[in-house]
Amino acid sequence: SQQGEEDPQALSIQEGENATMNCSYKTSINNLQWYRQNSGRGLVHLILIRSNEREKHSGRLRVTLDTSKKSSSLLITASRAADTASYFCATGPKAAGNKLTFGGGTRVLVKP
Amino acid sequence: GAGVSQSPSNKVTEKGKDVELRCDPISGHTALYWYRQRLGQGLEFLIYFQGNSAPDKSGLPSDRFSAERTGESVSTLTIQRTQQEDSAVYLCASSVRGETQYFGPGTRLLVL
Repeated sequence: SQQGEEDPQALSIQEGENATMNCSYKTSINNLQWYRQNSGRGLVHLILIRSNEREKHSGRLRVTLDTSKKSSSLLITASRAADTASYFCATGPKAAGNKLTFGGGTRVLVKP
Repeated sequence: GAGVSQSPSNKVTEKGKDVELRCDPISGHTALYWYRQRLGQGLEFLIYFQGNSAPDKSGLPSDRFSAERTGESVSTLTIQRTQQEDSAVYLCASSVRGETQYFGPGTRLLVL
């Protein structure tokens, strides 16, 4: 079974609005990462937050991590049509190798 | 510099045939990962290489799946006697220290 579960599964918003998606996971982690995928092909790394961090920003992205609740959120501010994509959270375990365990993703549609 | 490349981009094969999928990681990246993504789902981990050895093969779904890596560079994922349930996008990623993983565009495999 997948470690991370995203919520909601799909999100439709107007350009300019903010988009928030959440990720929950089950086991202890070393880090949590968010990726974006366009058209079902290659993934683009967005941001990595370590287990000892609570919040991180990158441009219009804000990620929070609550290890006590085993959850993370990704906020995209002032969304653009180009943000339309699927967004995945992925957890990296404390063990070596850091194979990522992905959630099912949130499909975001930003309407112009 | 060049990113992760994969070939072929698309592969259509008949049930029972063998297929080979290739991944060229970013130069200097010692860690290499293979993932599988079924339609509308998140990524499933298949195998992880550190250098030319594979310390974690736990995600390979059956003995029809195998992978090798040579010269701490190119990796090949081989699926023998393909089945229809093998149809998916196969994604390769590489990293330097096993944290941020950089993904290739994937190979879309369709087994008829």
